[in-house]
Amino acid sequence: RKEVEQDPGPFNVPEGATVAFNCTYSNSASQSFFWYRQDCRKEPKLLMSVYSSGNEDGRFTAQLNRASQYISLLIRDSKLSDSATYLCVVNMRAGNMLTFGGGTRLMVKP
Amino acid sequence: DTAVSQTPKYLVTQMGNDKSIKCEQNLGHDTMYWYKQDSKKFLKIMFSYNNKELIINETVPNRFSPKSPDKAHLNLHINSLELGDSAVYFCASSPGTPSYNEQFFGPGTRLTVL
Repeated sequence: RKEVEQDPGPFNVPEGATVAFNCTYSNSASQSFFWYRQDCRKEPKLLMSVYSSGNEDGRFTAQLNRASQYISLLIRDSKLSDSATYLCVVNMRAGNMLTFGGGTRLMVKP
Repeated sequence: DTAVSQTPKYLVTQMGNDKSIKCEQNLGHDTMYWYKQDSKKFLKIMFSYNNKELIINETVPNRFSPKSPDKAHLNLHINSLELGDSAVYFCASSPGTPSYNEQFFGPGTRLTVL
């Protein structure tokens, strides 16, 4: 089983749609969780941290379910500019090393 | 005013050659990293330095040798390049403990070994 697992997609959605991604992680002792965004041929950039109680940033909502060891990202009212790969990132081990999932590709179409 | 910069952006070379990639950050961060992103887009940590000292060294061939002359720079030297080394190499930095702080990535160096 991969340490951080994501559905690679692609998710093809029309503008204005709501789309959700899930990510599962293997280490129940993981403490920190993030979503990064990576545009084609660009570097990853932090989208948002994921807090235990869930958190929202504009059209983006992140949730953490520790019991089931998964993280979710919900995007409401999708824009063309949301098209990218979304990377789930988890602190998996002692020494504070981040482990990246393989990413979920989103394509928002007009 | 680039935060994390890498040179070169593209590197095409023959098997067996030795090459270096340079990274600089002007954010005043204490910790810097090298990641490798392969053709399947998996991003994997290779090395992490904190204040010029190696703190994470994942299982990478010893042909890869990082060097940090000061806390703003982290270079990666690769000896005897192999076809499987072809990938995008990202440098990143963070203010401190990586778990709780955002990592800022450089634009990447696309290495192609022929």
